Amino acid sequence: EDQVTQSPEALRLQEGESSSLNCSYTVSGLRGLFWYRQDPGKGPEFLFTLYSAGEEKEKERLKATLTKKESFLHITAPKPEDSATYLCAVRPISSGSARQLTFGSGTQLTVLP
Amino acid sequence: KAGVTQTPRYLIKTRGQQVTLSCSPISGHRSVSWYQQTPGQGLQFLFEYFSETQRNKGNFPGRFSGRQFSNSRSEMNVSTLELGDSALYLCASSLDIVYEQYFGPGTRLTVT
Repeated sequence: EDQVTQSPEALRLQEGESSSLNCSYTVSGLRGLFWYRQDPGKGPEFLFTLYSAGEEKEKERLKATLTKKESFLHITAPKPEDSATYLCAVRPISSGSARQLTFGSGTQLTVLP
Repeated sequence: KAGVTQTPRYLIKTRGQQVTLSCSPISGHRSVSWYQQTPGQGLQFLFEYFSETQRNKGNFPGRFSGRQFSNSRSEMNVSTLELGDSALYLCASSLDIVYEQYFGPGTRLTVT
């Protein structure tokens, strides 16, 4: 069974205090791993796609990395506007077919001014 | 380029009624997926379509159904509504199944 586990469930940081969010996954084959940001009452906003171990993507204060078993979302010098729930999702593949996107439960990030 | 649109944005229904939600994908996107989001269960996958064919289906009862039209627009229907169906229903579109999905704002369904 495909599983995605995110940790921590909640994280409170002071403005400027860097940290990392973790997404560990168990799938038979990985087609892609995706990071999203979701603000309350809104749809998730796409951030990054990672396809293979060792791959890294960056955008402003965010950097996503991927290994064979987990992904990290590093937040450097966060600002209050980075406060949101960050979701990780995996697209498993088996027998050549892509299975449904499976989401983790998310990390709720709060950045205090 | 316009994003994913969902209609209606808010809906209040009574237990036992049925409801139809609509989703218009980003222009050029051929895949549409539907999710149910509740505070306790997070994002739960409902179904995924590509070129009018259902490619994947989640573990929801048969009361939940969907379809995709030739212009890639999609609808989902929930019959015999239950109180537990109250949730934010999200639609997402992508160029193809394996690419990143872009989400709409959601339809907030309240069942009383």
